Amino acid sequence: GESVGLHLPTLSVQEGDNSIINCAYSNSASDYFIWYKQESGKGPQFIIDIRSNMDKRQGQRVTVLLNKTVKHLSLQIAATQPGDSAVYFCAENTLIIHGAQKLVFGQGTRLTINP
Amino acid sequence: ETGVTQTPRHLVMGMTNKKSLKCEQHLGHNAMYWYKQSAKKPLELMFVYSLEERVENNSVPSRFSPECPNSSHLFLHLHTLQPEDSALYLCASSQARTSYYEQYFGPGTRLTVT
Repeated sequence: GESVGLHLPTLSVQEGDNSIINCAYSNSASDYFIWYKQESGKGPQFIIDIRSNMDKRQGQRVTVLLNKTVKHLSLQIAATQPGDSAVYFCAENTLIIHGAQKLVFGQGTRLTINP
Repeated sequence: ETGVTQTPRHLVMGMTNKKSLKCEQHLGHNAMYWYKQSAKKPLELMFVYSLEERVENNSVPSRFSPECPNSSHLFLHLHTLQPEDSALYLCASSQARTSYYEQYFGPGTRLTVT
C-alpha cells in the first residue's frame, strides 16, 4: 500500500554545518516527490521537488536525491541557518481525477539548528 | 503569506456543538484540499475538490462535511465531534491540470474538542 516514512524523528546540527534528512517510500510506481518545511504556527511550505526520471535536483542551499532502486529520498541542506529549524516532510504526489493531486506525507523530521 | 487564509485560527468546541472552518485562496487555483494534522500521525488528506466537484473522500467520518461553493472558498462543517478529532486542520490549493503543480497551504485551524 501507499506509505511514506521517515527514518529519524529529530535531528540536531550546528549552525553552518550541513544536514541530511532521509525518507523511505513504498510505492515503486511513485512518480513525483516533494519536500515541505513546516515552521511553528504555519502550514507546510514547498521546498523542492523531484520527478522519478531524475536522481538529483538542486535548489538554493538544498539538494534532493532520489534512489529508486531502494526507494529512498533525501534532503540535504547546506550551511544551515537558524531559520532552517523546522519540521521537514517528504511527500509523494499523485495525480487524481480532474487534475487534482493527492499528497501522501511522511511522519516528519524535526530539525534543530544549534547556535 | 501563501495566499491561502483560514479562519478561525483557533477553535474550542464541545462534542455537541456545530461549527465551520473556512478557507479562502487568492491564487486563482481551482483545486482545494482539507488535511488533518495530529500530534503523532502524518498529515492525512481528508477531502479534495477540483473544479468545485468533490473528487476524493478519504474514508472520513460523516461528522466532517466539506463544502466548496466556488473555486476560491472551501468550508469544513463540524458536528458532534469526538476528542480524538482535536488536531490542526490545514487547507491547501493548487492548479488542477494534467501535470504536477505545487500545493499551497494555509496556516491551519487548531481545533480542540472538549
